[in-house]
Amino acid sequence: AQSVTQLDSQVPVFEEAPVELRCNYSSSVSVYLFWYVQYPNQGLQLLLKYLSGSTLVKGINGFEAEFNKSQTSFHLRKPSVHISDTAEYFCAVRQTGANNLFFGTGTRLTVIP
Amino acid sequence: NAGVTQTPKFQVLKTGQSMTLQCAQDMNHEYMSWYRQDPGMGLRLIHYSVGAGITDQGEVPNGYNVSRSTTEDFPLRLLSAAPSQTSVYFCASSYSGGLADAYEQYFGPGTRLTVT
Repeated sequence: AQSVTQLDSQVPVFEEAPVELRCNYSSSVSVYLFWYVQYPNQGLQLLLKYLSGSTLVKGINGFEAEFNKSQTSFHLRKPSVHISDTAEYFCAVRQTGANNLFFGTGTRLTVIP
Repeated sequence: NAGVTQTPKFQVLKTGQSMTLQCAQDMNHEYMSWYRQDPGMGLRLIHYSVGAGITDQGEVPNGYNVSRSTTEDFPLRLLSAAPSQTSVYFCASSYSGGLADAYEQYFGPGTRLTVT
């Protein structure tokens, strides 16, 4: 079975500052990794995904994430956040060859003007 | 393409009432799933389907039924609603196969359900 841990439930950060949202996963098999964003009162939108290849993955809105197999981590980063980045961010894992996604509990990013 | 659509957007039920949450997709996706989202708990998988006529249970299936008679539709039924089922429900779909795009799930806008 897979599980995902997002240690930070809330992350406040000032506008134009960098941010890192942490995600660690646990799995005995190879997995694919995802970050989704949920803006207030909306559904989930895919930010980026790691399937294979380069461990640094670039996504939409200037976000990127690095897959670290030895540390079983997939942390999300942005060098300079904007007010519009205020949202909830979910890390998710999916076993290779399977369909079901397992989500972390989410990190609420609040960008302070 | 409309993508994944869900109806209704909001619903209030009394304990013991039944209802069906509708989900439809027009992307010819084989895989469809239902999640519930509760504060501090992320999204948890309720039921899923890998094709018409095939359904299976996820992490939290109790109190919910599903069926999949067509590729497009995947309704979620609450037979006897309970306050513990107050939540936001999301439907999602994806291809199921060997394509790289198969690994992205597309989510509907959600249904906010309150059971009193």
